Amino acid sequence: AQSVTQPDIHITVSEGASLELRCNYSYGATPYLFWYVQSPGQGLQLLLKYFSGDTLVQGIKGFEAEFKRSQSSFNLRKPSVHWSDAAEYFCAVVPSGTYKYIFGTGTRLKVLA
Amino acid sequence: GAVVSQHPSWVICKSGTSVKIECRSLDFQATTMFWYRQFPKQSLMLMATSNEGSKATYEQGVEKDKFLINHASLTLSTLTVTSAHPEDSSFYICSARDPGYTEAFFGQGTRLTVV
Repeated sequence: AQSVTQPDIHITVSEGASLELRCNYSYGATPYLFWYVQSPGQGLQLLLKYFSGDTLVQGIKGFEAEFKRSQSSFNLRKPSVHWSDAAEYFCAVVPSGTYKYIFGTGTRLKVLA
Repeated sequence: GAVVSQHPSWVICKSGTSVKIECRSLDFQATTMFWYRQFPKQSLMLMATSNEGSKATYEQGVEKDKFLINHASLTLSTLTVTSAHPEDSSFYICSARDPGYTEAFFGQGTRLTVV
């Protein structure tokens, strides 16, 4: 069965530090890959997505992610974190053509001033 | 991208009553919509797939008689939580497939609290 793993439940970084959130998936083929951010009590905001092509994708708010087929990973990065980035981050995979999103368990980011 | 709207954003209801949540595609026709549920501090889990003009398809473990889904038009799907109980309190999010895009688009979610 398809699955998504976000190994880090909580991450704390200092403002201005770099950030990497990990995401690994289990799927026979290359799925569509997404990162979403959710602030408390809010809905999902799409940060970036990967369908095919260039494995390094740029998103909003200065985020980027790199797809590595050999590692079945799609890690999210940001070179300098801002206090407003504190939120819950979800990685999601979508088997091609299904439109059904399989979400990871999420990583809660805390930013220290 | 396409716009999906959910209503209401939050609702409080008494135990034993039913509550309806609407999911609308505002600028496209959605033949397929999806309903997800998110328990506090947990991830989102797909509950069911809603197809316009036909019965919904429920994921394993989801009670179809408790979570009634109706997709009567190409722009509207509704989720009715029947005989709600406190354990049904959750964040419900819908998504809709726009045929012009490879991805689905999410509504802003509805927070249901059953007291």
